[in-house]
Amino acid sequence: ETGVTQSPTHLIKTRGQQVTLRCSSQSGHNTVSWYQQALGQGPQFIFQYYREEENGRGNFPPRFSGLQFPNYSSELNVNALELDDSALYLCASSLGSGAGRGSGANVLTFGAGSRLTVL
Amino acid sequence: AQSVTQPDIHITVSEGASLELRCNYSYGATPYLFWYVQSPGQGLQLLLKYFSGDTLVQGIKGFEAEFKRSQSSFNLRKPSVHWSDAAEYFCAVGLTSGTYKYIFGTGTRLKVLA
Repeated sequence: ETGVTQSPTHLIKTRGQQVTLRCSSQSGHNTVSWYQQALGQGPQFIFQYYREEENGRGNFPPRFSGLQFPNYSSELNVNALELDDSALYLCASSLGSGAGRGSGANVLTFGAGSRLTVL
Repeated sequence: AQSVTQPDIHITVSEGASLELRCNYSYGATPYLFWYVQSPGQGLQLLLKYFSGDTLVQGIKGFEAEFKRSQSSFNLRKPSVHWSDAAEYFCAVGLTSGTYKYIFGTGTRLKVLA
């Protein structure tokens, strides 16, 4: 089975620009979550997509947006980039929306991340 | 509010020594608990998980963790550390109220001395 793949692996942008990050979920998974990991920090939940709709959002402004496609792949878009957006962006896939005790839906499989530098 | 605390930012051990990484959580319900490892330039790899049942769980690479409800802890252990274990380790809680998501600790960076 294929794992979670993300692209690009590294990119550099300037303040005010826009960026799109892409994620292909693990085979058989239908839910994608995005996390932001700033330097020296643990990952922070941005949002989740399930059945092509946003299924919850963390404490991130609306300039962070996303999409999920019928093949369950996903995009993260960030508009009006700020210096503090510099981080590793991690995509995670899972099966289902996380409901059900002890089910595999509760385990997230992470990609290697996209490292964004904003100058 | 839910939170995960990893008190040790950095830990250095000698190769062959035992290891314990601490994790405490704050969450009202019975949590789903995870340990992930992140090597430089890599994503997060799942080491082990706890959902219910036996409070001592075994994971990959010789790691184990013990869930102690009374202490709200889920410490990670390994009897003998290998140089390849040098990495950053993250404890996470899976929250089941509302959207299912993880809350991560800030991580513990492990250095292994030859």
